[in-house]
Amino acid sequence: GEDVEQSLFLSVREGDSSVINCTYTDSSSTYLYWYKQEPGAGLQLLTYIFSNMDMKQDQRLTVLLNKKDKHLSLRIADTQTGDSAIYFCAERAPTSGTYKYIFGTGTRLKVLA
Amino acid sequence: DAGVTQSPTHLIKTRGQQVTLRCSPKSGHDTVSWYQQALGQGPQFIFQYYEEEERQRGNFPDRFSGHQFPNYSSELNVNALLLGDSALYLCASGAGLLNSPLHFGNGTRLTVT
Repeated sequence: GEDVEQSLFLSVREGDSSVINCTYTDSSSTYLYWYKQEPGAGLQLLTYIFSNMDMKQDQRLTVLLNKKDKHLSLRIADTQTGDSAIYFCAERAPTSGTYKYIFGTGTRLKVLA
Repeated sequence: DAGVTQSPTHLIKTRGQQVTLRCSPKSGHDTVSWYQQALGQGPQFIFQYYEEEERQRGNFPDRFSGHQFPNYSSELNVNALLLGDSALYLCASGAGLLNSPLHFGNGTRLTVT
């Protein structure tokens, strides 16, 4: 079946690194995404990685992809209080001439000052 | 560059009523998808529109219907509202059937009493 799984909560101290993990199920997924959602807002695209890559770095964000284990992670370096939000992992898989996105349930990141 | 815009931002309806939500895609995008996000959950795919046609549909009843206009904007209609329809409704736009990456609006918060 289709399922993207994430741990529900993560708490870190300001200045530490945060690592948010995700497992997905569709091996045909071509892109994997990380979105951020702040209270009362929509989803903000943070970064994404193509399925033939192992790692992508974008400023404080590092995405690691283990395609064999269908495991994706997002590392946030030097975590700040403004990073407190819910983080969603999503996979894009082909279907019927287009693509569908499947989202995880989200990881709530709390950054302690 | 205007992002995805949705209206209204909040809406309160009574069980059994009908509702229409509206979305304008990001400039340059022509694909619109709708998602339902219940409290504490990840977004669940409702349907996708491209070239004014519904291209794919998630596991939602026929009470949920939509439309895309020639200017690429879209409406989501929900008939015979149930209490369980209370959620944040997110619109996302993308470019063509590649549909990647999705850009989200801030959503419409629907409360059914």
